[in-house]
Amino acid sequence: NAGVTQTPKFQVLKTGQSMTLQCAQDMNHEYMSWYRQDPGMGLRLIHYSVGAGITDQGEVPNGYNVSRSTTEDFPLRLLSAAPSQTSVYFCASTQKGETQYFGPGTRLLVL
Amino acid sequence: AQRVTQPEKLLSVFKGAPVELKCNYSYSGSPELFWYVQYSRQRLQLLLRHISRESIKGFTADLNKGETSFHLKKPFAQEEDSAMYYCALNVKGAQKLVFGQGTRLTINP
Repeated sequence: NAGVTQTPKFQVLKTGQSMTLQCAQDMNHEYMSWYRQDPGMGLRLIHYSVGAGITDQGEVPNGYNVSRSTTEDFPLRLLSAAPSQTSVYFCASTQKGETQYFGPGTRLLVL
Repeated sequence: AQRVTQPEKLLSVFKGAPVELKCNYSYSGSPELFWYVQYSRQRLQLLLRHISRESIKGFTADLNKGETSFHLKKPFAQEEDSAMYYCALNVKGAQKLVFGQGTRLTINP
């Protein structure tokens, strides 16, 4: 199993550009989440999904969209990038009663 | 409201000394708590979960419901323990985690 994979590993954007961060898992997990990691703030939940076709907002959803058309994939879209979105983004997946498995992260720099 | 607090952003101890990383939580139901570790520029890895009550890499953590705490302890620190440590609370039903701010642990030789 590859586990949780994320692409790209690193991305530089200009303010106002859009992009999609990809996340995939091959463990047939129902639950998937996106977090952003910022110094001194820990990890904060952006959006999460409890199954294909079902998504909900987390703590810091503004400026981000998600969709869950398949069990395996959970892409995160930045609609119009802002410098405040400079961060490290982690995707995670889990099943009920199990621990969360995290991807390797995507480092995003918005200029 | 669900909340996890790690009061120490930075903690520095000498090799061989005991380590305690503090974690306090606020949760209305029965909590499910975890410690995650992140080595330099790597993904988060599960270190401990309270329901398993096991010791990983010499670390232990006991849930104290009276004090709403889940402190991480190790009797003798090793240099390879230097990392970022996050305490996290699972919100049941949604299977989403609420994280503390993290503690950067540095073990000095």
